[in-house]
Amino acid sequence: KAGVTQTPRYLIKTRGQQVTLSCSPISGHRSVSWYQQTPGQGLQFLFEYFSETQRNKGNFPGRFSGRQFSNSRSEMNVSTLELGDSALYLCASSSHYTDTQYFGPGTRLTVL
Amino acid sequence: KQEVTQIPAALSVPEGENLVLNCSFTDSAIYNLQWFRQDPGKGLTSLLLIQSSQREQTSGRLNASLDKSSGRSTLYIAASQPGDSATYLCAVCGNTPLVFGKGTRLSVIA
Repeated sequence: KAGVTQTPRYLIKTRGQQVTLSCSPISGHRSVSWYQQTPGQGLQFLFEYFSETQRNKGNFPGRFSGRQFSNSRSEMNVSTLELGDSALYLCASSSHYTDTQYFGPGTRLTVL
Repeated sequence: KQEVTQIPAALSVPEGENLVLNCSFTDSAIYNLQWFRQDPGKGLTSLLLIQSSQREQTSGRLNASLDKSSGRSTLYIAASQPGDSATYLCAVCGNTPLVFGKGTRLSVIA
C-alpha cells in the first residue's frame, strides 16, 4: 500500500500571502488529521476530517482552515501568513482517529 | 486539558545498552497511547499503539507499557543500536486526536 503523501514538500512564502497544502491518505482511510510542528511548541493538532466533515479542531486562529474531498484527499489553507507560521506541517491518515495514525513526510513552510 | 510530558528531553547511551523512555499524561480518559519515532527533518513513524485496556505491547526490541491510573507510559528499548538514534514521541488519543509530548532525543553511540 502506498503511504501518506504530502505536496509540496517545501514552500517559501512572504508575510501576508496565503498557502494551500495537500495530503493524500492511505487508500481506504477516511480520517485525515493535520498537525503543526515547531521547535518551540512541538507537535500541535490543527484539525481532523472524516468523510468530508471536520470533526475536531485544535486551538488555532481562523486563518487556518481545511477541507476534505470525497476521495478522502485533504487540503489545508493558511491565509495572511505570519512569520510564526513557519513550521513543518504534517498530515496523518487512519481508519478512525482512535486508530494508529500514519504520517506523511510533511511540508516545510518558511515565511519570510 | 490534556498535557503530555516526556523525560528526559535528551539521552545519550553506548551501543548495546538497554534503556527506558518515560511519558506522563494528566488526563486518564484516553482511548490509546502511541509511541512514534522521528528522524531529523522527516515525518513520524508509528512504533507501538497501546489501547487503554491494555498494559503493554511489544514489537521486536521495543516494549511499551501503560499505567492509565497513574498517567504513565514507558518505552523500553533492548540492546540499543546506532540506528535507534532519533527523537521518540509519545502521544495520547482521547476526545480529540493526538496530544504529543515534546519528545526524547536519543543518541546511541557506537
